[in-house]
Amino acid sequence: SQQGEEDPQALSIQEGENATMNCSYKTSINNLQWYRQNSGRGLVHLILIRSNEREKHSGRLRVTLDTSKKSSSLLITASRAADTASYFCATDSNAGGTSYGKLTFGQGTILTVHP
Amino acid sequence: GAGVSQSPSNKVTEKGKDVELRCDPISGHTALYWYRQSLGQGLEFLIYFQGNSAPDKSGLPSDRFSAERTGGSVSTLTIQRTQQEDSAVYLCASSVRGRRETQYFGPGTRLLVL
Repeated sequence: SQQGEEDPQALSIQEGENATMNCSYKTSINNLQWYRQNSGRGLVHLILIRSNEREKHSGRLRVTLDTSKKSSSLLITASRAADTASYFCATDSNAGGTSYGKLTFGQGTILTVHP
Repeated sequence: GAGVSQSPSNKVTEKGKDVELRCDPISGHTALYWYRQSLGQGLEFLIYFQGNSAPDKSGLPSDRFSAERTGGSVSTLTIQRTQQEDSAVYLCASSVRGRRETQYFGPGTRLLVL
């Protein structure tokens, strides 16, 4: 089945609230990444967390990784209407070696932030 | 500098026709990837090029799909005898050698097969 499955499928919040999205995967990974996609077009890389890391921050983004549970979460704090987009997790499963970046994407979470 | 570019932005074709989709990666990026995103779905890996190595074609769904990369830069994805199920957004990404995990995506080509 699909590596990198996310939940919820859709999330609707008010501006200023925090948004949390979760991702689960099935195989060992080298790293896990989160991407954002607007209007079904190009993806923008947000953050990468390696298998030996547990938490990472970038601006208003916080990513956690629990390799024992094969899960990750993306937290967006103090959300803005401009954060409205689809968010995808992607896993690089070339564990144990240098990644060549063949990514497996989840189905995505559609985030809507109401002003 | 310029990002990954793809052309055309949109393509409408009739079932049975061949189509060519083009990707111009970021200059200096040695790795290039093609993905497909069907309506409401996540991205599906299609093919990967790295330098002069043989491409990883493990994601191509059928022998109607092929891709080439000329001179280590521009890539063309060709779909022969298109079917309606080929309708999707085709996304190209590139990455820098040595930092191959971070991929930079183009805007995609939206293909509609009637």
